[in-house]
Amino acid sequence: KQEVTQIPAALSVPEGENLVLNCSFTDSAIYNLQWFRQDPGKGLTSLLLIQSSQREQTSGRLNASLDKSSGRSTLYIAASQPGDSATYLCAAHPSGNTPLVFGKGTRLSVIA
Amino acid sequence: ETGVTQTPRHLVMGMTNKKSLKCEQHLGHNAMYWYKQSAKKPLELMFVYNFKEQTENNSVPSRFSPECPNSSHLFLHLHTLQPEDSALYLCASRGQGTGYGYTFGSGTRLTVV
Repeated sequence: KQEVTQIPAALSVPEGENLVLNCSFTDSAIYNLQWFRQDPGKGLTSLLLIQSSQREQTSGRLNASLDKSSGRSTLYIAASQPGDSATYLCAAHPSGNTPLVFGKGTRLSVIA
Repeated sequence: ETGVTQTPRHLVMGMTNKKSLKCEQHLGHNAMYWYKQSAKKPLELMFVYNFKEQTENNSVPSRFSPECPNSSHLFLHLHTLQPEDSALYLCASRGQGTGYGYTFGSGTRLTVV
């Protein structure tokens, strides 16, 4: 059974800092992996999707990597801004017919 | 807007009421999901529909009743809820293939009084 762990649970950084959020999963046979952002009381916004055949995806200041052999994914945020403050969720998709398995998230605070 | 629309955004209901949550997507996705998110808890999968057929019921109490009349619409019918059912209810959809991720709606904030 796939399990997803995110470390750290919470992170506070000063504005402008580059940071890395970590995600690990127990079963390397994944369909794809998705990173989401959630603001308090809101829905989930998809940030990046990495297919099983890919190693990384980039969107603006965000870069996500995937290493299936080690069961790890990282989300790199460059030049962090206060508007980046949110909870970031990592989710592994075990197979086409099996629903996403979510981590518990990393709550990020970027201090101006 | 993400392409997945949930209504209403907020709902307050008494324990004896009957209400319904609605989710609509016109992304051409064939799978739709209901999730529950309680305060300070991780997301809980409730129901999964593929091509209008329910393929997963994650041990959800019968006071929650889903309905999927077509691939674009998903409902969650609520009756005789308990205060502990107060939560953010999220709908999501997904297309087929590894290049398709989940698209979530903005959620319905439900308060049971």
